[in-house]
Amino acid sequence: GDSVTQMEGPVTLSEEAFLTINCTYTATGYPSLFWYVQYPGEGLQLLLKATKADDKGSNKGFEATYRKETTSFHLEKGSVQVSDSAVYFCALKPGGYQKVTFGTGTKLQVIP
Amino acid sequence: AAGVIQSPRHLIKEKRETATLKCYPIPRHDTVYWYQQGPGQDPQFLISFYEKMQSDKGSIPDRFSAQQFSDYHSELNMSSLELGDSALYFCASSLGRFTDTQYFGPGTRLTVL
Repeated sequence: GDSVTQMEGPVTLSEEAFLTINCTYTATGYPSLFWYVQYPGEGLQLLLKATKADDKGSNKGFEATYRKETTSFHLEKGSVQVSDSAVYFCALKPGGYQKVTFGTGTKLQVIP
Repeated sequence: AAGVIQSPRHLIKEKRETATLKCYPIPRHDTVYWYQQGPGQDPQFLISFYEKMQSDKGSIPDRFSAQQFSDYHSELNMSSLELGDSALYFCASSLGRFTDTQYFGPGTRLTVL
């Protein structure tokens, strides 16, 4: 079945550091890929998405590229801020299906 | 912009009681999804509805049922509650059942004592 594997957290970074959260997936066909963010005590917010190979999703300084050859969708940000502290979920949704499959989440803590 | 509304935001129940969670999708969205997120876990898909018909089914216990009404809002009914049902329950909505993006509500935190 479909699955998403992302690096375990928590990840602790100093403000303005470079962020990478690795995500790889297993799926049949050509799924759409997503990064969702969950701030403390809040719901899931869509951060960015990519729907086909080599697409780059970007939002709020975050970006991720859909790499079909390595089945990866790593999240990157050049300079993190304290306000980026949250849990980040990588997810996929196969075309023609409704269920979104999430990874286990990576908690990011940014310290001043 | 209007978002997905869930009520109540917090709910405390005793074991073996019943609970009803409500979800109001973004206006004009015709598809609703329910997810369960246990403590420290990733969200798990439960069930979805499109145009008031069940569209897809995931790991939803037999003790749970759900429906979508003519105004597209949805209710998740949970009976014979167990301690393990304590979780954050998310509703999401989309326009069309195969669209890529699902928009999530803030969740209902259910605590079973």
